[in-house]
Order: sequence, then structure tokens, then C-alpha cells
Amino acid sequence: GDSVTQMEGPVTLSEEAFLTINCTYTATGYPSLFWYVQYPGEGLQLLLKATKADDKGSNKGFEATYRKETTSFHLEKGSVQVSDSAVYFCALGMIYNQGGKLIFGQGTELSVKP
Amino acid sequence: DGGITQSPKYLFRKEGQNVTLSCEQNLNHDAMYWYRQDPGQGLRLIYYSQIVNDFQKGDIAEGYSVSREKKESFPLTVTSAQKNPTAFYLCASRPGVGNQPQHFGDGTRLSIL
Repeated sequence: GDSVTQMEGPVTLSEEAFLTINCTYTATGYPSLFWYVQYPGEGLQLLLKATKADDKGSNKGFEATYRKETTSFHLEKGSVQVSDSAVYFCALGMIYNQGGKLIFGQGTELSVKP
Repeated sequence: DGGITQSPKYLFRKEGQNVTLSCEQNLNHDAMYWYRQDPGQGLRLIYYSQIVNDFQKGDIAEGYSVSREKKESFPLTVTSAQKNPTAFYLCASRPGVGNQPQHFGDGTRLSIL
């Protein structure tokens, strides 16, 4: 079945370091891919999305490229800040069937130290 | 502001009780979803609804029930048949058409007394 695998956390970085969180997926059909962010005690916020192969999603300095050949959607940021500390979830969505449901990875906790 | 409101933020249940979690949206979205989140895990789909008066089971529907009598509302009942109900519950919605992402509420944390 469809699935998403993320790199395990927690990931601890110093401020201004480069961030990569790996995400790979298995899916039939042509899913859309998403990164969501969750701050403590809150719901999920959409960070970025890509709807087809080679699309690049970007927001707030974060980027991810939909790579169909490697079935990957890795999240990157050139210079992290303390305020980026949160849990990041990669998800795939079968928008046009299966009711648009999302399948999530297990989440990667990021901690950024000053 | 448009958004999704979940209430209450914290909920406590005694053994053998049913409890209902509220989810209301004013985004005019057709589709709504309930997810369960356990510590260190991703979200798992409980139920979803694409239109009023219709809903489908997700991956972990046992011990839960829903209704969708109004477009804005999608309450989730955690029944006494759910043996491990302690979790963080998240409601989401999205437009029924187009390639749009889901929007999430702030969640309800359910604990067993």
C-alpha cells in the first residue's frame, strides 16, 4: 500500500545551520506531496506542497522538490532559526481519489539551539 | 477569520463512557477528516466525509463513530469500545474539488481518568 518514510529524529542543529529532512514515498498513481509543521500542543500547518513531478514547493525559506525517479521529497532550509524548532511531517495525498486522504510519515522533531 | 475550531482542547473520559469531540469549520469546505496522533507517530485516519450525510471509514475506525448532518460540522464520538482512546485528535478539512491541501484544527487531547 501507499506509505511515507521520514528520517528519524530528533535532529539537533545550531542556529544558521543547513537543514535536510529526508522523505521517501511509495504510491500507486500520481500523488501530491506535502510538508506540514507542528508546534507543541498545536495542530498541523501546511508548510509547502508539490502536485507533480519536478515541482518545487517553497515557503519561509524551506524548499522541497518532487522527485519521481527517486520517489523522494526531501525538505531543505539553508539557515535554520530557533523558531524553526518543531515537528515536521511529510505526507502524500491522493487528491483525486480515496477522498483526498493524506498518508503521513512518522514525523521528524527538529531542535535548533542558539 | 476562517478556520477550523476543535473543542474542547482537553477532555477526560472515565472507563465505559462515550465522549464526543467537536469540529466546526467556516471555510465552506466539502470534505472533512478525523485523525489520531500518538506520541512519536504520524497521523492515522479515523473517518472522513466528502459530502453531507455521507462518510467513510479510515484506517482505524473501530471504536469510533461520526456524523455529518451539516457541512460545517463533523463530530467524532469515541465509544467505550475503543480500548486505547488516549491520544491527540485532529480534525481537518479541504475543498471538495481541485488539488488543495487539508487545513487542520488545533486538536483535542483526550485522556482516560
